[in-house]
Amino acid sequence: RKEVEQDPGPFNVPEGATVAFNCTYSNSASQSFFWYRQDCRKEPKLLMSVYSSGNEDGRFTAQLNRASQYISLLIRDSKLSDSATYLCVVSLSGGSYIPTFGRGTSLIVHP
Amino acid sequence: NAGVTQTPKFRVLKTGQSMTLLCAQDMNHEYMYWYRQDPGMGLRLIHYSVGEGTTAKGEVPDGYNVSRLKKQNFLLGLESAAPSQTSVYFCASSYGDGGGAQYFGPGTRLLVL
Repeated sequence: RKEVEQDPGPFNVPEGATVAFNCTYSNSASQSFFWYRQDCRKEPKLLMSVYSSGNEDGRFTAQLNRASQYISLLIRDSKLSDSATYLCVVSLSGGSYIPTFGRGTSLIVHP
Repeated sequence: NAGVTQTPKFRVLKTGQSMTLLCAQDMNHEYMYWYRQDPGMGLRLIHYSVGEGTTAKGEVPDGYNVSRLKKQNFLLGLESAAPSQTSVYFCASSYGDGGGAQYFGPGTRLLVL
């Protein structure tokens, strides 16, 4: 089983739709969680951290479910500009632990 | 602040040639990383560094060497390039241990013929 798994998609949604992605992780000791956005042929950019209580940033909501070992990203009122690949990242904390990236979920928002 | 910069942006090599990719960050980050990204493979960690003078192997270190002589710079070397090393290379840095968010450079596109 891969350490971090994502549905590669693509998720093809119309403008204004709500879409959600999940990301499962295998190491129950994981403590840090992030969502990154990567546009075609560009570098990944941090979208948001994921906190235990869940957190929101505008149209984006991130949730953590430790019992089932997954994180989620909800995008409301999708815009054309949201089209990108969304990477989840999971890490232990402390010492020299290195973040583990999922392979990404592709989102295409169409008019 | 420039953040994380990478040099060069694009390079074409012939099999057997050598080259060095330079990554520089101006955020005083302790941790720096080199990744490669290939279609369908996601980001794969080549080498990383947890501080000046230290380096460690990642998931796919073979064929690459690194050095971190200065805190702000992380160099990735290819001693004898192979076509399998054709890829996009991203450098990243983070404040502290693996629990910190990473900031990426714009990438270097390498083609090995």
